[in-house]
Amino acid sequence: LAKTTQPISMDSYEGQEVNITCSHNNIATNDYITWYQQFPSQGPRFIIQGYKTKVTNEVASLFIPADRKSSTLSLPRVSLSDTAVYYCLVGPYGGSQGNLIFGKGTKLSVKP
Amino acid sequence: EPEVTQTPSHQVTQMGQEVILRCVPISNHLYFYWYRQILGQKVEFLVSFYNNEISEKSEIFDDQFSVERPDGSNFTLKIRSTKLEDSAMYFCASTLAGGYEQYFGPGTRLTVT
Repeated sequence: LAKTTQPISMDSYEGQEVNITCSHNNIATNDYITWYQQFPSQGPRFIIQGYKTKVTNEVASLFIPADRKSSTLSLPRVSLSDTAVYYCLVGPYGGSQGNLIFGKGTKLSVKP
Repeated sequence: EPEVTQTPSHQVTQMGQEVILRCVPISNHLYFYWYRQILGQKVEFLVSFYNNEISEKSEIFDDQFSVERPDGSNFTLKIRSTKLEDSAMYFCASTLAGGYEQYFGPGTRLTVT
């Protein structure tokens, strides 16, 4: 499994766009990039997944450059409720190889 | 929107006792998982389950742990003889096609005294 590196913490203010970058230099050809969000005392929540270029859903956008050695999760106009830990995971799309290996993630604090 | 449910939300037990944590995965999902998170630490993989058998397990998942899918809807984690260090949040997850898009339940907080 590719190792990922992301900032331990980030601070932002309400209404700002937040970009969290994850490095994954050893990403394999069949690996996808997946981001999860976790609030205190809750289970992780799947946010977005992508393979290359850009993916957008109602929650976030994921930008992946051509070399795929990094990715950026973009949260538009954050609110206080976006305060959470965000995890970047890299691994294969399907099949039984789904045991998620979580790192420490990025603790995002949104201030008023 | 379908969701994974877990019961109980909080379980307190004495060291050495057996506990069973219950999960109801999303109904059409085929892959099931248990994870745990000790307070203040990372989420850790315990076991994956597919086609009525364990697919993978971590070093944490020793002989004291077992999983079962006793019927078409429940997925259980049993800890035979609990230890103090088993105190953690236990999360169940499920997914339709395997892989990294998993749906987690709200967790069971296990406290071993």
